[in-house]
Amino acid sequence: GAVVSQHPSWVICKSGTSVKIECRSLDFQATTMFWYRQFPKQSLMLMATSNEGSKATYEQGVEKDKFLINHASLTLSTLTVTSAHPEDSSFYICSAREVTGELFFGEGSRLTVL
Amino acid sequence: AQSVTQPDIHITVSEGASLELRCNYSYGATPYLFWYVQSPGQGLQLLLKYFSGDTLVQGIKGFEAEFKRSQSSFNLRKPSVHWSDAAEYFCAGKAAGNKLTFGGGTRVLVKP
Repeated sequence: GAVVSQHPSWVICKSGTSVKIECRSLDFQATTMFWYRQFPKQSLMLMATSNEGSKATYEQGVEKDKFLINHASLTLSTLTVTSAHPEDSSFYICSAREVTGELFFGEGSRLTVL
Repeated sequence: AQSVTQPDIHITVSEGASLELRCNYSYGATPYLFWYVQSPGQGLQLLLKYFSGDTLVQGIKGFEAEFKRSQSSFNLRKPSVHWSDAAEYFCAGKAAGNKLTFGGGTRVLVKP
């Protein structure tokens, strides 16, 4: 099946710094990618929908200035957590939609903000 | 509102025993339904999906799910559980053109 890769898989940063997480579709082009946030022992919450070449669509309650999403190419979307604080610590997962409509998920990126 | 509910937060099952995970949905029309598995610290892997047609869907790793419109359910089953099946399982639904909505997840523990 199609492969979606996230990088880094694990990152620790100091409070106030910014962190960028990449999501790549390795063997297919994805016009749409999705970013989810998962708290420990909880389900996935959709943060935003990332469309190639246009602005991301954010879910209600998600700060777009805090979570910057860029989808510059058909195989890459990035999530930048700006001025990160400990409450931003979480597991972030992306998914990419293949031309058939099926979603493929990345392996997730664990962010810890000290 | 469109929603997917997994009533069981945790399930413990002995290795070799059967497993059934419950999923209920609330949509105006029949949604697309999915089951995903997540191992600790990992992303999600699709086990199976239902769009239409045969209500019994076969998936990977020996899993199957049955769509029951009368009960608004899409329960996941496996006849004989292996220790490697210990993971978190998510049911998800999607109306045509809309976003994927996840249930709360069910954590499966497998006893030797």
